[in-house]
Parts: sequence; structure tokens; C-alpha cells
Amino acid sequence: AQSVTQPDIHITVSEGASLELRCNYSYGATPYLFWYVQSPGQGLQLLLKYFSGDTLVQGIKGFEAEFKRSQSSFNLRKPSVHWSDAAEYFCAVGAREYGNKLVFGAGTILRVKS
Amino acid sequence: EAGVVQSPRYKIIEKKQPVAFWCNPISGHNTLYWYRQNLGQGPELLIRYENEEAVDDSQLPKDRFSAERLKGVDSTLKIQPAELGDSAVYLCASSKLPGLAEETQYFGPGTRLLVL
Repeated sequence: AQSVTQPDIHITVSEGASLELRCNYSYGATPYLFWYVQSPGQGLQLLLKYFSGDTLVQGIKGFEAEFKRSQSSFNLRKPSVHWSDAAEYFCAVGAREYGNKLVFGAGTILRVKS
Repeated sequence: EAGVVQSPRYKIIEKKQPVAFWCNPISGHNTLYWYRQNLGQGPELLIRYENEEAVDDSQLPKDRFSAERLKGVDSTLKIQPAELGDSAVYLCASSKLPGLAEETQYFGPGTRLLVL
């Protein structure tokens, strides 16, 4: 069965520092990979997605993610964090073999300190 | 373009009472999803519609949950009777094309349910 692991429940970084959020997946098929962000009281907003091609994907708000098949990882990065980036981040995996079904990780809560 | 609309935003009920949630997807989106997000967890799919047809309801607890999407536009998710463990955020999402895993799902703000 497919699964997604986000090892870090909470991460705290200083404003202006770099950020990396980890995501590992277990999937029997060729995966489609997504990162979503959820601010308090808001729905999930797509940051970026990977289907094929270049394994480094650029997203909105200055985020990027790198797909590493050998490590079954899709880590999210940002070179310089802003206070407005404080939110919860979810990695999700899908595959054509499973229709449109997305399997989400448990999320990582990002805190930004000034 | 308006996003996915959900109502109510918050609902507090006593256990054994019924409750219903409403979702209006983005105009032109054929696929509609209902997810449940428990505290500290990621969303889990309950049911997926392609137009009027429920194509994946394998995760829907059918003894107490029901859903409908009449006319292939807006949708209602119902719980009857509610249990304490149903306290969660219920998220609705939509995407434009059916059957494609790469399609972006757009999420509404959710309905936060508290069962006392």
C-alpha cells in the first residue's frame, strides 16, 4: 500500500534562514508528487508538483522541491524563509494506477522566529 | 475565479445528531472530492465524484456517512448519527479533468466539526 512519511512534526527556523522539509514515500507505481501548504483556517494550497522530467521543480512563493527516485524522497526547500511562510506543509503522492487518489503525509508545522 | 466554497465553516453538535456539509466546486470542474482531516493528520479521501458518479467511495463509512452530487455540480456530505470520533475538518476539493492523477486538486477552507 502507498504511504507518505513526513518525519518532522515541527520545524522552527529563523527568518531569512534556509528551509528543508522532508518527504519520503512508498509507492508501487510511478508517483506523482505534490506539496501543499495550509494556513490556519484555510484550505490547502498547491505549492508545486512533479510528474516527470527535470527532477528539480520550482513552485510558488520561492519554493522548490527535488525528486530523488533512489531515495524515494521529495524534499521541499526554500533558500530564505519569510515570517509569512509559517504554516503547515503537506506532501502528497498519487499515481495513475490509483486514479486521482492522493495520499497525504501527516504534515510538518513550520514556525518562523524573528 | 471563485474558489471552492464550503459551508458551514464551523459546526458543533451533540453525538447522535445528524449533520450535513455543503460544497460548491470551482465552475467547470468535473471531479469533486471529500476528505476528512483529523487533528494532527493529513487529509484522507472519503469519496470522489466524476460528474454525478461516485467513482471511489471505498473509504466512506457507509453505515453513517452518505454523499450526493446531484446534477454534477455541488455536493452534500451527511453524517447520521454523528459520533465523537467524527470530530474533524471536512475538506472539499475539485479538479477539472476526471481520471488524471496529475490534475491539481483545489481545496476549500473546510468545515470544522466538533461532536460533543
